[in-house]
Amino acid sequence: EVQLVESGGDLVKPGGSLTLSCAASGFTFNNAWMNWVRQAPGKGLEWVGRIKSKSDGGTTDYVAPVKGRFTISRDDSKSTLFLQMNNLKTEDTAVYYCLPDGGNPWGQGTLVTVSS
Amino acid sequence: DVVMTQSPLSLPVSLGQPASISCRSSQSLVHRSGNTYLNWFQQRPGQSPRRLIYMVSNRDSGVPDRFSGSGSGTDFTLKISRVEAEDVGVYYCMQGTHWPKTFGQGTKVEIK
Repeated sequence: EVQLVESGGDLVKPGGSLTLSCAASGFTFNNAWMNWVRQAPGKGLEWVGRIKSKSDGGTTDYVAPVKGRFTISRDDSKSTLFLQMNNLKTEDTAVYYCLPDGGNPWGQGTLVTVSS
Repeated sequence: DVVMTQSPLSLPVSLGQPASISCRSSQSLVHRSGNTYLNWFQQRPGQSPRRLIYMVSNRDSGVPDRFSGSGSGTDFTLKISRVEAEDVGVYYCMQGTHWPKTFGQGTKVEIK
């Protein structure tokens, strides 16, 4: 069974940093393009970024609001995806989900709250 | 970015009645591979989203056959043939053809 477990969410002050993790199991992680998607409280879904598999170059892409502040990385030996978030803004407050490129399945998400 | 526009945004439906959600994209979703990467997701209250339909019309495992997807190019539809109480939630279309992937605003389905 494919499982994704996100962790690392916390309350952080504006301008602060945080790193999220996503532990994957039940599929060949190193072959998968992986993504982060977020959902602000009471709002819709927004793609944050993706990382390709190493065999496809391992490159990353981000949406404009997070480019230059967020970094996605992966540790294939541990089937773990990371999202490093710097210079956090109040508008980054959201539940963050990791998921494979096809959009299935979703984990439970981890809540990041940016507030002074 | 490709803009995904859903309608209606709110859909009150009586139990056992059909429901239909429209999703229109600002650009064609036909990929150079020939595939169309249009997915539908359901988010029940208090839960994470789950994918219902992938590549326009393919139901995910475990999804009841009362859910169906159709469409092509820039115009897509999710239909529920007979709404049940467990179908209450928000439904999102999402395009995966162009980067960045984008979602529609969501359609809230509730029981009338």
